[in-house]
Formats: sequence, structure tokens, C-alpha cells
Amino acid sequence: AQSVTQLDSQVPVFEEAPVELRCNYSSSVSVYLFWYVQYPNQGLQLLLKYLSGSTLVKGINGFEAEFNKSQTSFHLRKPSVHISDTAEYFCAVSDPAGTALIFGKGTTLSVSS
Amino acid sequence: GAGVSQSPSNKVTEKGKDVELRCDPISGHTALYWYRQSLGQGLEFLIYFQGNSAPDKSGLPSDRFSAERTGGSVSTLTIQRTQQEDSAVYLCASSQDRQGWNEQFFGPGTRLTVL
Repeated sequence: AQSVTQLDSQVPVFEEAPVELRCNYSSSVSVYLFWYVQYPNQGLQLLLKYLSGSTLVKGINGFEAEFNKSQTSFHLRKPSVHISDTAEYFCAVSDPAGTALIFGKGTTLSVSS
Repeated sequence: GAGVSQSPSNKVTEKGKDVELRCDPISGHTALYWYRQSLGQGLEFLIYFQGNSAPDKSGLPSDRFSAERTGGSVSTLTIQRTQQEDSAVYLCASSQDRQGWNEQFFGPGTRLTVL
């Protein structure tokens, strides 16, 4: 069975500071990894995904994530955050069979000035 | 183009009543998923449909929950004899097919409150 652990439930940062949202997964099979973002009162939107190839994946809004197979991690990073990045971020895994996404419990990123 | 739509956006009901939640997936998407988002619990898979295949119901929390998908398009999630613990946001998603690499596109959700 697959599982996802997001290590921080809340991350407060100041505007223009760098941020890292941590995600670890466990699986006995190869997986695909995703980060979704949910802005207040909106649906989930895909930020980026790792399928194969380069372990550094770039997504929308200046976010990137690095797949580390040995540490079973897929941490999300942004070098300089904006107020508008305030949202909830979800890490998720799926397997090649296309069963439903398994989500972490989410990390609330709060950016203040 | 149009995204995934869900109705109603909000539903308040009394304990013991039945509710129906509707999802219109993106046209042409053959895979459709239902998730539940509860406070502090993150997103929990409920059920998914792929084309005309039998749905995967492995995530349904009890036999009070059921779902159907008519004509390979619109889906309805039904909760019978609602309980207070059913209060949550119910999210629907669709994707081109059930391949694991495909992006799932999410609707805005239905917020269910059971009094």
C-alpha cells in the first residue's frame, strides 16, 4: 500500500523568503508524484508532477520539486514566495495502474508581509 | 474549455436525510473520481469510474454511500441516512483515462453540512 506524509501541517513565512514544503512517501511499486495547490475557497490545481527522467521538476508559479528515490521524498520549494502563494498544498502519489491518488494531509503555507 | 463542475456548491441537511451530489466531468474524460476532504483528514479517496468498467468502490466508508455514472459522463454520489460525521467537502475529479500519469482535474467541490 502507498502512503504520503507531509511533515509540516503549517508553514508560516515572510514574503520574499524561500520556502520548502516536505513530503515523504512509501510504496512497494514505482510511483508518480504530484503536488496540488488549493487556494482559499477554490478547487485543487496541479502545480507539478514527476513521472520519470530528471529528478528536478519545475511547475507553475515558480515552484519546483526534487524527487529523491533513496530518501523517498518529493519536497516542494520556491526561492521567493509572494502573499498570493498563501494556500494549502497537497502532495500525492499514484501508481502506473492508475488507481486513485493517495494524498498527504496537506500543508498550509501562510505568507505575510 | 469547461472544467469539472459540481452541484450544489453547498448543501445543508438534517441527520438521517438522503443527499445526492452531482459531478459533470470534462467532456471526453473517461476516468472520474470522488474524494472527500474533511478538516484535519486531508483528501480521502471514495470511488472511481473508468469508462464502462465496474467502479472501484474500495474507498467508500460505509454502505450508506453509493455512486453511479450514467452514459459514461455525469456522476451522482448518494449518501443515505446522513450522519454528522459525513460533513465534509466532496470533490470530484476527472482525467483523460485511468493511467497513473494523467493529471486529475478537480471540481470546486460540494460542501455538505449535516445538522
